[in-house]
Amino acid sequence: SQQGEEDPQALSIQEGENATMNCSYKTSINNLQWYRQNSGRGLVHLILIRSNEREKHSGRLRVTLDTSKKSSSLLITASRAADTASYFCASGGANSKLTFGKGITLSVRP
Amino acid sequence: GAGVSQSPSNKVTEKGKDVELRCDPISGHTALYWYRQSLGQGLEFLIYFQGNSAPDKSGLPSDRFSAERTGGSVSTLTIQRTQQEDSAVYLCASSRLQGYTEAFFGQGTRLTVV
Repeated sequence: SQQGEEDPQALSIQEGENATMNCSYKTSINNLQWYRQNSGRGLVHLILIRSNEREKHSGRLRVTLDTSKKSSSLLITASRAADTASYFCASGGANSKLTFGKGITLSVRP
Repeated sequence: GAGVSQSPSNKVTEKGKDVELRCDPISGHTALYWYRQSLGQGLEFLIYFQGNSAPDKSGLPSDRFSAERTGGSVSTLTIQRTQQEDSAVYLCASSRLQGYTEAFFGQGTRLTVV
């Protein structure tokens, strides 16, 4: 079963605007991770938030986690054209595989 | 090595042939994952290894697919009697601790079955 489900499926914004992407998951987790993929090849890890954390920052990225709602959000502030990519959330935990959602396609218009 | 290495990067094979895809994880990473991604789609889980054992093989699409890992390092994904629907990018990732730490991905093997 799909553990992570992102929404929206696609997002198009103007350069300089903020982009917010959401992820929901189904079972208990130890952590929630966000990844980025360019050109349909390898994924790059962006940020990991543990189940006992509520918010985490890394540069222009801010991720939140609400374990009561089984949801997470990724905010990219002051977006750039180079942020155009697909973004995936993945849930991790004890004795569980790292399970990915279907991804969000972000387009940032110059 | 410095990163996860997958070979070959591209493979074109005829329907019915067997193929082997190789993954060299980052040294010291105990967990290794295989995923499949069709064009424009998400990542489909295939199998993961903790050391040399595979606790979860539930994602393997059929008995034509098998995987092994030796010495807690290199892994090989084998597809027998390939079909056109097997065409996809096969991604391998490794992590220091399964489920608890970030995963590092290889660049994938693009398999085309003609």
